[in-house]
Amino acid sequence: AQTVTQSQPEMSVQEAETVTLSCTYDTSESNYYLFWYKQPPSRQMILVIRQEAYKQQNATENRFSVNFQKAAKSFSLKISDSQLGDTAMYFCALKNTGTASKLTFGTGTRLQVTL
Amino acid sequence: GAVVSQHPSWVICKSGTSVKIECRSLDFQATTMFWYRQFPKQSLMLMATSNEGSKATYEQGVEKDKFLINHASLTLSTLTVTSAHPEDSSFYICSASRGQGVLNTEAFFGQGTRLTVV
Repeated sequence: AQTVTQSQPEMSVQEAETVTLSCTYDTSESNYYLFWYKQPPSRQMILVIRQEAYKQQNATENRFSVNFQKAAKSFSLKISDSQLGDTAMYFCALKNTGTASKLTFGTGTRLQVTL
Repeated sequence: GAVVSQHPSWVICKSGTSVKIECRSLDFQATTMFWYRQFPKQSLMLMATSNEGSKATYEQGVEKDKFLINHASLTLSTLTVTSAHPEDSSFYICSASRGQGVLNTEAFFGQGTRLTVV
């Protein structure tokens, strides 16, 4: 069984500052995908960033980047230049590479961006 | 990006009645769709995996006779909550993936359905 753990239930950051959300996971697979999803108050799930486990280079998407440590099974999300619109729940998720494999979600981190 | 449409966005029903929620992939074919349930301030809990043309695979603890899933076409999956009770009140979300292999890496989510049973 695979698990995803997010140890920070809530975090707060000031606008324009940088914040890092933590995520650890466990899987017996050697190849898999990791994701960060954002769920704003509208509750629509939005993909923030994706990382293939076989790629050593950390993924980046504009202000969002990850620190992927495969040996430590750690996958943290860094948000730079935080904006009010970044206020949301953030879920870390793991997916094996099978054709119909499911996503396993962490418990989420509620991020509040303040003025 | 691919679009998944979920309908209705919210529904209120009387206890004992059944409610159907639709999940459509608008611009791609989805061999597999997933149904999740989310309680307030909690994570998404996978209920079942819906496979086109075959029976759904339910997660442990999910009553298949209560949560009926039909995936009759490559663009439509439905979740029917039968004989709904107040404890079934929740937020239900579907997701779908395109194709296989590398195309299957990303899941696209519907807008979710807020079900309230009174």
